[in-house]
Amino acid sequence: EVQLVESGGGLVQPGRSLRLSCAASGFSFSGDEMNWVRQAPGKGLEWVSYISAGGSTIYSADSVKGRFTISRDNARNSLYLQMNSLRVEDTAIYYCTRRFDYWGQGTLVTVSS
Amino acid sequence: EIVLTQSPGTLSLSPGERAALSCRASQSVSSGYLAWYQQKPGQAPRLLIYGASNRDTGIPDRFSGSGSGTDFTLTISRLEPEDFAMYYCQHYRPSSITFGQGTRLDIK
Repeated sequence: EVQLVESGGGLVQPGRSLRLSCAASGFSFSGDEMNWVRQAPGKGLEWVSYISAGGSTIYSADSVKGRFTISRDNARNSLYLQMNSLRVEDTAIYYCTRRFDYWGQGTLVTVSS
Repeated sequence: EIVLTQSPGTLSLSPGERAALSCRASQSVSSGYLAWYQQKPGQAPRLLIYGASNRDTGIPDRFSGSGSGTDFTLTISRLEPEDFAMYYCQHYRPSSITFGQGTRLDIK
């Protein structure tokens, strides 16, 4: 059974950093591209970042470019999102997803002073 | 960046009725890169349709996708109570991934 479990969310002040993790199991993690998608409270879905299976190709939304960095550790079956210079508008549930066919339950990031 | 516009914003129908949800792209997109998702409150999105017309594993056949170019449609042939939810379309080339703003399907 495919499972994706996000962690690392919480309350953080504007300008600070946070690192999200996504633990994957039930599939060949090293063979699959992965994404982060977020959803602000009461709003729609917003794609955040993509990483290829081997980690060599990365794309990010303009709204997070230069602040957020996606990475992966295929030996640990884990996906990460390093979020720096956080803004109030980054407040959202962050989902990791395998090729958009399997999704985690999400982790809430709240940016507030 | 490709902008996806979904209509209507809200659709109010009764169980047993047919629903047609529209997704219009700002420029022509390959059908291979168009998907539809269902999301219920407090839950992660669920992939329904990929490649514009292919149902994902386990998706009931009352859900169907169609369209090409800039106009795509998700059709639910006979609404079941569990179908009332938010629906999003998505364009998913890795270098350019965008979602529509969503259509809320409400019980009338």
